[in-house]
Amino acid sequence: NAGVTQTPKFQVLKTGQSMTLQCAQDMNHEYMSWYRQDPGMGLRLIHYSVGAGITDQGEVPNGYNVSRSTTEDFPLRLLSAAPSQTSVYFCASSYGLAGAETQYFGPGTRLLVL
Amino acid sequence: AQSVTQLDSQVPVFEEAPVELRCNYSSSVSVYLFWYVQYPNQGLQLLLKYLSGSTLVKGINGFEAEFNKSQTSFHLRKPSVHISDTAEYFCAVSEGGSARQLTFGSGTQLTVLP
Repeated sequence: NAGVTQTPKFQVLKTGQSMTLQCAQDMNHEYMSWYRQDPGMGLRLIHYSVGAGITDQGEVPNGYNVSRSTTEDFPLRLLSAAPSQTSVYFCASSYGLAGAETQYFGPGTRLLVL
Repeated sequence: AQSVTQLDSQVPVFEEAPVELRCNYSSSVSVYLFWYVQYPNQGLQLLLKYLSGSTLVKGINGFEAEFNKSQTSFHLRKPSVHISDTAEYFCAVSEGGSARQLTFGSGTQLTVLP
């Protein structure tokens, strides 16, 4: 199993540009989520999905869109990038929804917005 | 709403010395508690978790943590650290019944010195 994969590893954008961060998992997990990691702030939840076709907002959703058309994929879209979105983005997945499950994280995407 | 406080942002310690990383949480309901570790330029991986039962939880790489309900704490300990333990450690809490409510602390950078 590849686990959770993320592409690209690094990205530089100019303010106003759009892009999609890709996330895929091959563990047949129901729950997938996107976090951003900023220095001194830990990880903050952006959006999550409890299954194909079902998504919801987390703590910091503004400026980001998601969709979940398949169990495996959960892309994160930045519609119009801003410098405040410079961060490291992690995708995670887990088997169940009960809150007790281990989250499996991808290696991250490092995004710089100029 | 739940929250997690990691009291130390940086902990330097000499090799083979013991270490304790502190974590306190607040929640109005029963919780599940986690410690995740992030090695440089990698995603997070689970060290250990407390769901119920014995308050002393053992994890990978010789780490253990103790759940103290009266003090709302979940401190992480290791009796003898190695250089390879240098990483950032995150405490996280989820309120029983919901993976979507996983909240992370701000992280503690453990640096093991030779």
